[in-house]
Amino acid sequence: GAGVSQTPSNKVTEKGKYVELRCDPISGHTALYWYRQSLGQGPEFLIYFQGTGAADDSGLPNDRFFAVRPEGSVSTLKIQRTERGDSAVYLCASSSSRGSYNEQFFGPGTRLTVL
Amino acid sequence: AQSVTQLDSQVPVFEEAPVELRCNYSSSVSVYLFWYVQYPNQGLQLLLKYLSGSTLVKGINGFEAEFNKSQTSFHLRKPSVHISDTAEYFCAVSDQGGSEKLVFGKGTKLTVNP
Repeated sequence: GAGVSQTPSNKVTEKGKYVELRCDPISGHTALYWYRQSLGQGPEFLIYFQGTGAADDSGLPNDRFFAVRPEGSVSTLKIQRTERGDSAVYLCASSSSRGSYNEQFFGPGTRLTVL
Repeated sequence: AQSVTQLDSQVPVFEEAPVELRCNYSSSVSVYLFWYVQYPNQGLQLLLKYLSGSTLVKGINGFEAEFNKSQTSFHLRKPSVHISDTAEYFCAVSDQGGSEKLVFGKGTKLTVNP
């Protein structure tokens, strides 16, 4: 079946601009995660949705970052007033919520470059 | 809060040699442990996981890892590597009973040379 998809695959923007990154999870997966992977680093957690609500947004670095999942499926990560330090690969993952452990399946990521 | 330390940023080995990638973690609660692999220009793929039970876990592509609670380690091993194992490997933890968010190490770049 289809995996997690993310669009766009690459995004180049100028400092100060607004960007939106989209994640389409695996059909039926109720949990959705956003991570950020900077160059030479491991992925860092940003936010976790269970259904439509953000269950844990403790990883969002500041109030320029916001994410939504209005219908409990597709999610959009929004970054306002982008800065060069926001340049990274943004990863999305989804999982079911059927058991005590639910494997996260990752998308290919969106590479964001802020000039 | 949890943290993960991968002691080696780069590990070069020759084809058919054994390899060990080291991972240590810190946590005040019980955790699940994972190894993910990221091939060039591809997404993260789960290699293996430790949830409970036997401390030796086997994963895909001939990899295995051993959970050592006293040493808070979860080292990854393969007895004989192939060129195709060249990739970035990430160790990760999540707390049991929490949101299942993953905390990753910085990664180890494994390069297998002919």
